[in-house]
Amino acid sequence: AQKITQTQPGMFVQEKEAVTLDCTYDTSDPSYGLFWYKQPSSGEMIFLIYQGSYDQQNATEGRYSLNFQKARKSANLVISASQLGDSAMYFCAMRENYGNNRLAFGKGNQVVVIP
Amino acid sequence: EPEVTQTPSHQVTQMGQEVILRCVPISNHLYFYWYRQILGQKVEFLVSFYNNEISEKSEIFDDQFSVERPDGSNFTLKIRSTKLEDSAMYFCASTLEDRASKNIQYFGAGTRLSVL
Repeated sequence: AQKITQTQPGMFVQEKEAVTLDCTYDTSDPSYGLFWYKQPSSGEMIFLIYQGSYDQQNATEGRYSLNFQKARKSANLVISASQLGDSAMYFCAMRENYGNNRLAFGKGNQVVVIP
Repeated sequence: EPEVTQTPSHQVTQMGQEVILRCVPISNHLYFYWYRQILGQKVEFLVSFYNNEISEKSEIFDDQFSVERPDGSNFTLKIRSTKLEDSAMYFCASTLEDRASKNIQYFGAGTRLSVL
């Protein structure tokens, strides 16, 4: 069964606008971590932001924020003030803290920022 | 800023040949990982390594694969007899694995393996 679901088609966003990337997850583990990674066309995986399941507040890292809705099992990434360099694939990932330490990734969201 | 380093960036090999992909994790990190990403697909976990032994492996990580930490800095993935379907981007990652670090896994830039 899919643990991470990212179903949005490729997105075009105007420079300087905000964009929201959807991510839903499935786990019965009460303790878990949620991550977003950016993969530009060059291929590397760049860590962006982390949200722990017990964190009371939504995570923020500069222009990145995570809209964490635990009851709905969603962890959407918000990129504010988009820049041309934000054009990339964005992957949501989860780590369940009991029993293993692997990351389970979603299929990714493609974002293209247009001037 | 410390980073995970992978070499080579691109490896081309003939089917049936052995390949070794190399990684230098972040120096004070304790847990090491290999993931792969077949072109256009999601990233898949292969194996995790801690204290000089495999701590977890996926169903993809069969007898054709092995990992090693031959010295204090390198972490390698060996594929004994490559198949066409092994063509993928292979990522190494490492983490300090403590609460303060939030268990964030930092990835290298990847090695693109092309099996002909």
